[in-house]
Amino acid sequence: AQSVSQHNHHVILSEAASLELGCNYSYGGTVNLFWYVQYPGQHLQLLLKYFSGDPLVKGIKGFEAEFIKSKFSFNLRKPSVQWSDTAEYFCAVTPPEYGNKLVFGAGTILRVKS
Amino acid sequence: EAGVTQFPSHSVIEKGQTVTLRCDPISGHDNLYWYRRVMGKEIKFLLHFVKESKQDESGMPNNRFLAERTGGTYSTLKVQPAELEDSGVYFCASSQAAAANYGYTFGSGTRLTVV
Repeated sequence: AQSVSQHNHHVILSEAASLELGCNYSYGGTVNLFWYVQYPGQHLQLLLKYFSGDPLVKGIKGFEAEFIKSKFSFNLRKPSVQWSDTAEYFCAVTPPEYGNKLVFGAGTILRVKS
Repeated sequence: EAGVTQFPSHSVIEKGQTVTLRCDPISGHDNLYWYRRVMGKEIKFLLHFVKESKQDESGMPNNRFLAERTGGTYSTLKVQPAELEDSGVYFCASSQAAAANYGYTFGSGTRLTVV
């Protein structure tokens, strides 16, 4: 079945470590790509999005993601994490055949140790 | 700008009871979406309103779920009768336009527990 895959369900890092969260999708055609974050007790927030153009996308709070079309990937990165980055991260796509509906990955829980 | 508001934030009900979830979108957002996350799995689409009309309800799991958006403002999602497998977090989102590049603003979700 077509899907969005996030490779890590739980990630634990120390402060200042670098972060890379994997996301792969299996839909063909032109997709829009998103990373959302949910901090404890808060709503889902958009970190960054890619529709077209430069495949390296800068988002809020120092996050970035790179779209690699040949690999169907949209990995999220941050050079140096902070304790406040502890949250759950969701990759999502809008496949062309799905209209404007978001298809989410299962989420990755990131815990940053201070 | 006020965000998307959902209430209640938590609800615990017994199997067979009825629960109604409410979502207040951002003022002026014609598009309203409901999503659900069950048992720590993926967040999945339930339905999409454009103003008061159901644009797409392909994700609604069964006829125990009824969504309304009278007047094109707030929306309710009623589960009647609730079953154990309905437990999860119900998210609402709104957007100015249906095009994905406008982005969605999500609420904090309602955590529903059916016991």
